Amino acid sequence: QVTLKESGPALVKPTQTLTLTCAFSGFSLSSFGIRVNWIRQSPGKAPQWLARIDWDDEKFYSTFLKTRLSISRDTSRNLVVLRMTNVDPADTGTYYCARERHPQQYMDVWGTGTTVTVSS
Amino acid sequence: QSVLTQSPSASGTPGQRVTMSCSGSSSNIGTNPVNWYQQVPGMAPKFLLYNKNQRPSGVPDRFSGSQSGTSASLAISGLQSEDEAEYYCATWDDSLNGWVFGGGTKLTVL
Repeated sequence: QVTLKESGPALVKPTQTLTLTCAFSGFSLSSFGIRVNWIRQSPGKAPQWLARIDWDDEKFYSTFLKTRLSISRDTSRNLVVLRMTNVDPADTGTYYCARERHPQQYMDVWGTGTTVTVSS
Repeated sequence: QSVLTQSPSASGTPGQRVTMSCSGSSSNIGTNPVNWYQQVPGMAPKFLLYNKNQRPSGVPDRFSGSQSGTSASLAISGLQSEDEAEYYCATWDDSLNGWVFGGGTKLTVL
């Protein structure tokens, strides 16, 4: 069974760095074609894609946020970490990680999300 | 503002057929398959349709999709009360090199 679980701080202050962890099971990020994405959703808004890391360690970032994002993986522990620098109240929302498989172009399994509030 | 455009709301009565649209451009829908997600309040998006009209295991065949040019659509037949949710379209954008989503269509079952 494929599962993903996000974790991180519930509250961060403006200008701080947010670190989120996606712990997954049921697949390996070192297997050909496996990808893990981060998506966030602000209250009442549509999902917004943030970043992706692939089985070969290739990384992709949202054009709008790339200067603030960093994605990394620990394949031995089945973890993907997303770091976002200089957070702002506009970064408040629920953050999800989701599995994607190449060449199929879809994110099929999502975590339940972790809610982050940016406030002083 | 979302890269993909969806009508903000749709409605129908139980048993009816409803459709909702998703419009994009040549760099996204015009090139890549559209996926659809269903989201109820407080829950993560649920994978509903992929590759234009394929259903993951467990999704009833009341849900169907189509895609042509730079547009896609989702149809729900035999509408049920549990179909009341927000529906999002998503696809990869070759220009942005990232996933893009629609703004969502809120479906109300009257």
